[in-house]
Formats: sequence, C-alpha cells, structure tokens
Amino acid sequence: EIVMTQSPLSLPVTPGEPASISCRSSQSLLHSDGYTYLGWYVQRPGQSPQLLIYLASQRASGVPDRISGSGSGTDFTLKISRVEAEDVGVYYCMHALETFHTFGQGTKLEIK
Amino acid sequence: QVQLQESGPGLVKPSQTLSLTCTVSGGSISSGGDYWTWIRQHPGKGLEWIGYIHYRGSTYYNPSLKSRLTMSADMSKNQFSLKLTSVTAADTAVYYCARYGSKSGEGYFDHWGQGTLVTVSS
Repeated sequence: EIVMTQSPLSLPVTPGEPASISCRSSQSLLHSDGYTYLGWYVQRPGQSPQLLIYLASQRASGVPDRISGSGSGTDFTLKISRVEAEDVGVYYCMHALETFHTFGQGTKLEIK
Repeated sequence: QVQLQESGPGLVKPSQTLSLTCTVSGGSISSGGDYWTWIRQHPGKGLEWIGYIHYRGSTYYNPSLKSRLTMSADMSKNQFSLKLTSVTAADTAVYYCARYGSKSGEGYFDHWGQGTLVTVSS
C-alpha cells in the first residue's frame, strides 16, 4: 500500500493571500510510461469531491489558473496563488500509480 | 456530460448485505478505458477507495474489503453495483460512485455521484 501524507491538516488563509499544501507518497509515483500519477481533489462543504489536478500538474477542465500543482517522485505541492472564498473545503491528494488507490488525510482550508 | 447517481437503502442491519447501484447517464459504461468506481467516506473522515469494475468484468478491490465485496455491471441498464456482506457499524459511510479514466496519461476520477449515506444499525 502506498501511503499518502499531507501537511498541514488545517490551513487558515486570508482572502487574496497564497496557500500551499504538501503531499508526500511512500514511494515514487513515476510510472514506467513516463507519467507521474498524482492527483488533487477538493471537497467543498456539502459536495462530492471534485478533480482539480491530475498527473501532478495538469489542471482539470474548468479549474482556474490560480490553482497549480507541481512536484515529482514522492513530493508534491498544490498552490493557490490568491485564495478566494470559493476555495474553502478539504483538499486531498491521491495516487493512481497502482490499482489500490489511496488518499491523503485531507487538508481543511478555511478563510481567516 | 456524464452524470452518476447512487441509489439503495439508507439503513442496513448489522450482519446483513449492503447493496448499492450507480446509474450512469450522458455516457456509456462500456466506454473502453473507463473503470466504474466506488469510494466511501466515513462520517467526518477522509476518502477510502473501495474498488472498481470494467464493463468487461475485470474488478479490482481494496484488499481490506475484498473478502466481503462484489461488484457487477449491467450494460443494458448502464448501471454498476456494489454488494458488501456482513456489514458492521464500521461500514457506516457516505458511498460515492465515480468514473475512473485508466488510460495512460489519465489516472483520475473525473465524474462523481452526489453520494448516498448508508447507516448500519439495528
């Protein structure tokens, strides 16, 4: 089992300020096909999770460019350049390297 | 736009079988590279991948649930289903169905149902 570890678990942010969430995997997520199978999801209050980023840095359709993903191997980061009220929710990283998918514990972003 | 909708009993007695169905609209479950997935979320907790099924019948299950789990797909109804036997209170959760793109260069859950709460209680 690949263990996904996120930090911080709680992230209070002032609107307009940047935010950053770290995710670390217990083994490299680089596949033999050359892709790195790390995704980010957000679960807004009362909603289902929603895909934000796949392949570590590819934005899903409709995701604003103030949200970005980076990283390689075992260390990844989700960045929001300017936090808005709509960004409130719990952010999860997840690996898709193998069929037993696991998620990070979640990072709760709240507005100060 | 693909849409998914879970359905099934909201209350199941301990030791009985939890059965859920996900109905897919706006797309076909027989689309080649897609796997049809169940994910659950215990109250106030994070996300747990349960397993998924390909329309041709291939299944992959979470090892911790494998002995109690069966997934199936009905292409005529464009639905897929989950059965979890011998449930306990630990199976109380919101259950989501989702589509997983499994092709090289994908590896994501891009469409999710709204989720259905299943409570295990006598």
